[in-house]
Amino acid sequence: RKEVEQDPGPFNVPEGATVAFNCTYSNSASQSFFWYRQDCRKEPKLLMSVYSSGNEDGRFTAQLNRASQYISLLIRDSKLSDSATYLCVVRPDAGGTSYGKLTFGQGTILTVHP
Amino acid sequence: GAVVSQHPSRVICKSGTSVKIECRSLDFQATTMFWYRQFPKQSLMLMATSNEGSKATYEQGVEKDKFLINHASLTLSTLTVTSAHPEDSSFYICSARDLRQGTNSPLHFGNGTRLTVT
Repeated sequence: RKEVEQDPGPFNVPEGATVAFNCTYSNSASQSFFWYRQDCRKEPKLLMSVYSSGNEDGRFTAQLNRASQYISLLIRDSKLSDSATYLCVVRPDAGGTSYGKLTFGQGTILTVHP
Repeated sequence: GAVVSQHPSRVICKSGTSVKIECRSLDFQATTMFWYRQFPKQSLMLMATSNEGSKATYEQGVEKDKFLINHASLTLSTLTVTSAHPEDSSFYICSARDLRQGTNSPLHFGNGTRLTVT
């Protein structure tokens, strides 16, 4: 089983649509969770951190369910500029020299069309 | 603006040559930097952890003699791909954390280096 699993998609949605991405992780001791977006042939950029209570940033809402080891990202009112690959990212643990290690999902491709 | 700078952004080299990639933290000190690699249509995979003033820590399956890492200062880490072969062609990305943002702060990534070995 992969450490972080995502539905690779692709998701093709019209502008204005709401789209949700799911992610599961295998390490129950994981401490931190993030969503990154990666545009074609570019480096990943942080979209948002994911907190236990759930959090929202404009059109983006992230949820975390530790019991189910499940993370989600909801995008409302999709824009053309939202087209990218969305990476679910997990930090396995909090301490020691591994604090910077991140485990990436394979990414979910989103295409928003006019 | 970018907080981690990586250079070069693209390099094409012949098989058997060595390539050096630089990673700099721009406005913070990074005692630890991380080198990732991404093959087409695959996830980013951690290659090694670069430690300022000490040896790098390599992930399983990554050859330390092939991928030389030097972290000589608090703002610079270099990755040298020695005797490069076509199978080393990939997207190499460095990253670092600004600890001033807290213990759970996310990683900041450099803009990546696309290496093509012919």
